[in-house]
Amino acid sequence: GQQLNQSPQSMFIQEGEDVSMNCTSSSIFNTWLWYKQDPGEGPVLLIALYKAGELTSNGRLTAQFGITRKDSFLNISASIPSDVGIYFCAGPVSGGGADGLTFGKGTHLIIQP
Amino acid sequence: DVKVTQSSRYLVKRTGEKVFLECVQDMDHENMFWYRQDPGLGLRLIYFSYDVKMKEKGDIPEGYSVSREKKERFSLILESASTNQTSMYLCASSSPPLTVWVNTGELFFGEGSRLTVL
Repeated sequence: GQQLNQSPQSMFIQEGEDVSMNCTSSSIFNTWLWYKQDPGEGPVLLIALYKAGELTSNGRLTAQFGITRKDSFLNISASIPSDVGIYFCAGPVSGGGADGLTFGKGTHLIIQP
Repeated sequence: DVKVTQSSRYLVKRTGEKVFLECVQDMDHENMFWYRQDPGLGLRLIYFSYDVKMKEKGDIPEGYSVSREKKERFSLILESASTNQTSMYLCASSSPPLTVWVNTGELFFGEGSRLTVL
């Protein structure tokens, strides 16, 4: 199936720092989604991107849909302890519709006080 | 609030046992999915269903089957559990997107079922 390459695999940062992570694919996507998974919970949608070049914000989170449609970036500004978790990028399985999403392997965010 | 409920948060089973993981959603969603999550591998799609009694294989269906007898319920079945099926299992549901240029709706996930096979 399609593969999404997500990096970095993990991040150890200080509270208050900005965070940046990205996702790339060899295939073109026309939707990019970013999910966050808190410890012991299921993933929850943070941001959805539907147009190449689109830049979308949700509070301290900003995500961009790359112009080539093969990449996406997620930035978190001024990190706080509750930002800890695993962040996943995702895109529709080829064929789309009801076929679900393919996910990157995740970025573990760990915040040191 | 939208809700996807997985019947068991934690299960311990023995090799060879038959295992049922149940998932119920209260959002009247057409589509339901089962993923497994393993460290370093992310989320991988096992099976999905876009209608009652319909099912489609995902990326890793081997060793699993599913059942969708009612719209709100999607069950994952391990006919004969093996140790390599020890994992976190996540159920999700979605509706078809509202516009044709968006080819996926948002997936809503349950809290997960952590299965250990001894």
